Amino acid sequence: LAKTTQPISMDSYEGQEVNITCSHNNIATNDYITWYQQFPSQGPRFIIQGYKTKVTNEVASLFIPADRKSSTLSLPRVSLSDTAVYYCLVGGYMNRDDKIIFGKGTRLHILP
Amino acid sequence: DSGVTQTPKHLITATGQRVTLRCSPRSGDLSVYWYQQSLDQGLQFLIQYYNGEERAKGNILERFSAQQFPDLHSELNLSSLELGDSALYFCASSGGGVAKGYTFGSGTRLTVV
Repeated sequence: LAKTTQPISMDSYEGQEVNITCSHNNIATNDYITWYQQFPSQGPRFIIQGYKTKVTNEVASLFIPADRKSSTLSLPRVSLSDTAVYYCLVGGYMNRDDKIIFGKGTRLHILP
Repeated sequence: DSGVTQTPKHLITATGQRVTLRCSPRSGDLSVYWYQQSLDQGLQFLIQYYNGEERAKGNILERFSAQQFPDLHSELNLSSLELGDSALYFCASSGGGVAKGYTFGSGTRLTVV
């Protein structure tokens, strides 16, 4: 499983666009990039997944450059309820030794 | 409702005791993963089962054990409990690894007193 590096924390204000970047230099050819959101005392929740270029859904956009060594989660017009920890996960379909390691994530704090 | 069911939601027990946490995966998912999350800490991977067999192990203590039954539900057994075992324990299920995504349950909050 590719190791990921994210900022430990970020602050932003309501109504702003927030971009969280994840580095994954040793991403493999068959790896996908997935982002999860976790609120306090709740299990992580799937936000978005991509393989290359750009993916957009009703919640966020995911930008992946051609070399795929990084990815950026973009949250448009954030609100206070977007305050959460965001995890970047990189991996493919299930392998034999599939230790799914969530890093420390990025603690996003939205200010009024 | 994520489709992954964890019981009980809360558990308070004394040091030295043994508890069992239960997880029912989302329908069709063969893999179950257990995680421990202490206060303000990240998710610590404990163990994974796939269709009844242990598939991967993380930093799971010897006092902890797990199994997955033929109906695919899983149980995490924690014994000789210590104060430091107090945490949220999450179960997740998947149909095929990262690329298929993980669905998490709402967790069991264990308090050891």
